[in-house]
Amino acid sequence: DTGVSQNPRHKITKRGQNVTFRCDPISEHNRLYWYRQTLGQGPEFLTYFQNEAQLEKSRLLSDRFSAERPKGSFSTLEIQRTEQGDSAMYLCASSLAAPAGELFFGEGSRLTVL
Amino acid sequence: GENVEQHPSTLSVQEGDSAVIKCTYSDSASNYFPWYKQELGKGPQLIIDIRSNVGEKKDQRIAVTLNKTAKHFSLHITETQPEDSAVYFCAASISGNQFYFGTGTSLTVIP
Repeated sequence: DTGVSQNPRHKITKRGQNVTFRCDPISEHNRLYWYRQTLGQGPEFLTYFQNEAQLEKSRLLSDRFSAERPKGSFSTLEIQRTEQGDSAMYLCASSLAAPAGELFFGEGSRLTVL
Repeated sequence: GENVEQHPSTLSVQEGDSAVIKCTYSDSASNYFPWYKQELGKGPQLIIDIRSNVGEKKDQRIAVTLNKTAKHFSLHITETQPEDSAVYFCAASISGNQFYFGTGTSLTVIP
């Protein structure tokens, strides 16, 4: 399968713990996006990369959130000192940069903070 | 930033009938408008998209229309089937940078 891969699919953690999610995009895609989705809502933009450069971050992305894409391939999203409000589905998507191309989404990583 | 509104939030139709979902956007610079279908436990999947230089696009039973002046676009599904039941999201983007999504429409097709 050459689609977008996310790990882990499910993560349950206690408040205050750190968690990290990994996304492996489609290999030829140079753009990678992170979104957060809560129940009954649409995906909410967090950040995106073009190659290894982080081009934009949402104001929603507090200092506790950090994303990296060190070699322009896979990406990690780390949440430090998790809070119950961080419970959500974290979706990764990838695309070609231009022209505006289809976003291919992974299956998501569901985070539950107890 | 861009604000995308989507209506209705839920929609039930009889099998074979048509379904229409409407979205509005606020940023006139948005020029790419995809529609995604999301099934339970899965990531969204693109079903159709339209760019701002086109007013309508059709792919078999699915069509999308765009009114740039009014800043709204709509998804039309004809001859609905039970497998069309899912949550549908519209989105707006400026040249594939940030994508802003609507809040979703839960479509139920009743056999």
